[in-house]
Amino acid sequence: GAGVSQSPSNKVTEKGKDVELRCDPISGHTALYWYRQSLGQGLEFLIYFQGNSAPDKSGLPSDRFSAERTGGSVSTLTIQRTQQEDSAVYLCASSYGFGRGSYEQYFGPGTRLTVT
Amino acid sequence: GDSVTQMEGPVTLSEEAFLTINCTYTATGYPSLFWYVQYPGEGLQLLLKATKADDKGSNKGFEATYRKETTSFHLEKGSVQVSDSAVYFCALTRSSASKIIFGSGTRLSIRP
Repeated sequence: GAGVSQSPSNKVTEKGKDVELRCDPISGHTALYWYRQSLGQGLEFLIYFQGNSAPDKSGLPSDRFSAERTGGSVSTLTIQRTQQEDSAVYLCASSYGFGRGSYEQYFGPGTRLTVT
Repeated sequence: GDSVTQMEGPVTLSEEAFLTINCTYTATGYPSLFWYVQYPGEGLQLLLKATKADDKGSNKGFEATYRKETTSFHLEKGSVQVSDSAVYFCALTRSSASKIIFGSGTRLSIRP
């Protein structure tokens, strides 16, 4: 079946502009995660959605970052007023979530964001 | 807070050499432990996992044993191949459907 998909695969933006990154999880997966992979910080957790519960936003680095998940499926990560330090690969992952035994997270190919 | 510490890279070995990548963790309770791999130009993939103490995860000739007494999960392979060249991440989660905490990654290069 289809894996996790992310779009765009690459995004170049000017400092100060807003960007939206999209994630389509695997069908049937109730949990969705965003991570960021950057040279200086490695792989960092950003935010986690589980079903209809309030998201765990504990990893968001600043209030310029936000995410939503519509209809329990597609998610959008928004970065407002981008800064050069936001340049990174943004990874999305999904899993079955609670009570389903297997909780392996499947990762998408990522969106490479470059802020100039 | 929870954390994962793994061997600094890069690691360069000749084909058929024995591989060990060290990983230790800090966490209360009984986390689940993982090794993820990222091949050049590809996404992050789960390589192996162990969910309780003394469990051994294995896949593609790689093995790692969950050692609670030493809080370690070292990755080993008896005979590496050029195709094993990748970045390897040790990781943990506190429970099912929970965020992953990653180590910094170890880049492995295998010479023919």
